[in-house]
Amino acid sequence: NAGVTQTPKFQVLKTGQSMTLQCAQDMNHEYMSWYRQDPGMGLRLIHYSVGAGITDQGEVPNGYNVSRSTTEDFPLRLLSAAPSQTSVYFCASSYSLGFPYEQYFGPGTRLTVT
Amino acid sequence: KNEVEQSPQNLTAQEGEFITINCSYSVGISALHWLQQHPGGGIVSLFMLSSGKKKHGRLIATINIQEKHSSLHITASHPRDSAVYICAVSSQETGTASKLTFGTGTRLQVTL
Repeated sequence: NAGVTQTPKFQVLKTGQSMTLQCAQDMNHEYMSWYRQDPGMGLRLIHYSVGAGITDQGEVPNGYNVSRSTTEDFPLRLLSAAPSQTSVYFCASSYSLGFPYEQYFGPGTRLTVT
Repeated sequence: KNEVEQSPQNLTAQEGEFITINCSYSVGISALHWLQQHPGGGIVSLFMLSSGKKKHGRLIATINIQEKHSSLHITASHPRDSAVYICAVSSQETGTASKLTFGTGTRLQVTL
């Protein structure tokens, strides 16, 4: 199993550009989520999904869109990048939302917006 | 005040020392997670516990639900243990247990 994969590993964007961060898991997990990690702060939830076609907002959703067309894939779209979106982004998955399960994280994407 | 507080924020130890990292939380939880993040690396789950104690190799995690406190211990520390250790709690709200709230992490450096 590859676990949770993310691409790209690094990305530099200019203000106003859009891009999609890719996330995929091969563990047939129902729950997938996107977090951002900023210095001095804990990871913060951006969006999450409990299955194909079902997504919801987390703590910091503004400026980001998600969709989940398959169980495996959960891409995160930045609509119009801003310097405040400079961060490290992690995708994670677990078996289900409803009970506490071990969380599996991707390797992260380091995004810089200039 | 953050819902999940870790201490210390930074910790330097010499190889072989016994290390303790603390986590306190202020909300009801269904489980507590300890995670490890190496420099420039991804995040790996070390433990998930809802009561008592768990042990894996040189790592031990304990939780006291009444006091809302957990500790992560590393025995016989080694430079390869150098990493950021993150405490996170699973929501107690019905049907949302995989939604985690994270502490800010404890940066551990183990020197020779």
